Order: sequence, then C-alpha cells, then structure tokens
Amino acid sequence: DADVTQTPRNRITKTGKRIMLECSQTKGHDRMYWYRQDPGLGLRLIYYSFDVKDINKGEISDGYSVSRQAQAKFSLSLESAIPNQTALYFCATSDYPGPKGAKETQYFGPGTRLLVL
Amino acid sequence: GQQLNQSPQSMFIQEGEDVSMNCTSSSIFNTWLWYKQDPGEGPVLLIALYKAGELTSNGRLTAQFGITRKDSFLNISASIPSDVGIYFCAGRHSGAGSYQLTFGKGTKLSVIP
Repeated sequence: DADVTQTPRNRITKTGKRIMLECSQTKGHDRMYWYRQDPGLGLRLIYYSFDVKDINKGEISDGYSVSRQAQAKFSLSLESAIPNQTALYFCATSDYPGPKGAKETQYFGPGTRLLVL
Repeated sequence: GQQLNQSPQSMFIQEGEDVSMNCTSSSIFNTWLWYKQDPGEGPVLLIALYKAGELTSNGRLTAQFGITRKDSFLNISASIPSDVGIYFCAGRHSGAGSYQLTFGKGTKLSVIP
C-alpha cells in the first residue's frame, strides 16, 4: 500500500467552484506539504504544516487554504477555482529531522491532476 | 521564489550510454536531494546528500554534493529504457526556513532503445 495517498487523482471543475484535494499518509510523519507543479516550472510550495496545530504559507498560497485534520491528513482547498489553478498538485510528508535539522527528506504522493474550465 | 538552475532541460540518449546532469545555485545549501518523476506519478527520492563533497551511489546512479555547496551532480551509467522520466534536484538552505526545499525545473530524459 502506498505511504502517501491523494484523492481524487483527477478532477475537472468549473471557474468559481470550491473544491478540496485530500492527502493521507501512513508514514507517521509530523510534517506535511502541498506543492503545485506546472510544466517547465518544477514544484512550488503552497502550504505546509509541522503538526496538527501548525499551518504556514508557502511561496504561492494566494487562492488556496488548508486544513490539518489529524497527523495523517492534510487537505488543500481552492475556495473559488480559476483557470490558472489548472496544474498537478502534490502532497508530501517528512519526519522531524531532530535538533540539527539536516537529515530530512520529503516523500511525495502520486499527485492530483486538476483542470479548471 | 528562488529556483535552482538545472541542466540540461532535456536529453535524448542511446540505450547503454552514460548520462550526466547538474544543478547550480547562487546560494549555499546544506542538503541536496535528487528525485525522479515518471509520467502521472509523484517524484520518488533517488539519492539524498547531506555533506559537501559527499559522493553517494544507488545502483547505476551516483550523485555528488559539490565542494562549494552550491552545486550537485547526478550521473546514470549504462542507461536503460526504464530510466526515462523527469529528474529533479532539490536543495535546502540551513538556518531559518530550512524546512523548505527549492526545486530545479527538471531534466527530461529520453532513452532510445
């Protein structure tokens, strides 16, 4: 079974609709992230959470919100979807790296492909 | 946000050839990660590097953390068709904000049988 799962895998929606993308993990990691991938642009961080009560904005948070419902669940919402939010969305997790913080790696889910018409 | 310079953007190689790609940054990183992404899937971690000068292998893949801490290299030896995909480097700064990875734009690898 996959350690990081995302639902749905594909979604088509219309401009102005509210949608939610969900992420679940069985790795027991405290830290969870949401990224957006556009062709030729690599991955850009939207939001991240270091534990259930911690939510932080990333590089491109405008137009998005998140909810950390439990250690294992982190959802991303588009309050009013617009066409330029069409992209591939990835959830990732990582464990607390310890006080020196160096050895931390992120593990990615399979992605959600979103099309906003 | 800062982007790493990853090159080449794409490569077409013959099966059996060796492959080299690299990432450079204007700032120092304390961690370099290399990921591979297959079509329709999320990035999968290949190699993690935590120390300047470190050279680490994973099968036919070898990656190095540059001495200056501003670059990293990934080599694939004797390429095979399943090596096809997009390879991403990612780096992490030390200090404040050190949770955040900065990603390169990827190197798209095509292997001709």
